[in-house]
Amino acid sequence: EPEVTQTPSHQVTQMGQEVILRCVPISNHLYFYWYRQILGQKVEFLVSFYNNEISEKSEIFDDQFSVERPDGSNFTLKIRSTKLEDSAMYFCASIGLSTDTQYFGPGTRLTVL
Amino acid sequence: AQKVTQAQTEISVVEKEDVTLDCVYETRDTTYYLFWYKQPPSGELVFLIRRNSFDEQNEISGRYSWNFQKSTSSFNFTITASQVVDSAVYFCALRNRDDKIIFGKGTRLHILP
Repeated sequence: EPEVTQTPSHQVTQMGQEVILRCVPISNHLYFYWYRQILGQKVEFLVSFYNNEISEKSEIFDDQFSVERPDGSNFTLKIRSTKLEDSAMYFCASIGLSTDTQYFGPGTRLTVL
Repeated sequence: AQKVTQAQTEISVVEKEDVTLDCVYETRDTTYYLFWYKQPPSGELVFLIRRNSFDEQNEISGRYSWNFQKSTSSFNFTITASQVVDSAVYFCALRNRDDKIIFGKGTRLHILP
């Protein structure tokens, strides 16, 4: 069964550094999402992406964040200058035209020191 | 306003007992989708069920069952004859036309041997 994959599974970085989280959505899906879950808290929407542009973004998704689909398969989330409070699990999700369910990747745990 | 409320923060039951996880949602839309996800200690989000707003039929899948009641805006989840492997955090979620998923805060379920 096709699945969403994410790399790396765990990323440790120093405050102020740039990080890029990578996702490979399910191949025929057209809508892509990033969500964030701070440890012990609920999963929060960050951004949705369709047709090579952002469809919607939350208040969390400020100028430090950007998303990109650099080729036909990858979907990336970049944090330009990480802060301690960016430490969280980041989930990528995708959905196709013929399904109403977002399928989530296994997540990338980001630790900012 | 769109909101998902899981009033039970944490539940502990002894193995083989039945347990119900409550979920109440708020939305202005007439078309929406409701979900339950399981998050085991490993951290990934495991999709359990999707229900659209036009389908109020209850569903049973093995030991899992879901009770959707539009009149009370509830979408409760029951595990029958619980097992230790059911221990996890369970999230109820809502998706409207704008596609993003809004999660509840989750219920941490402990199944004691």
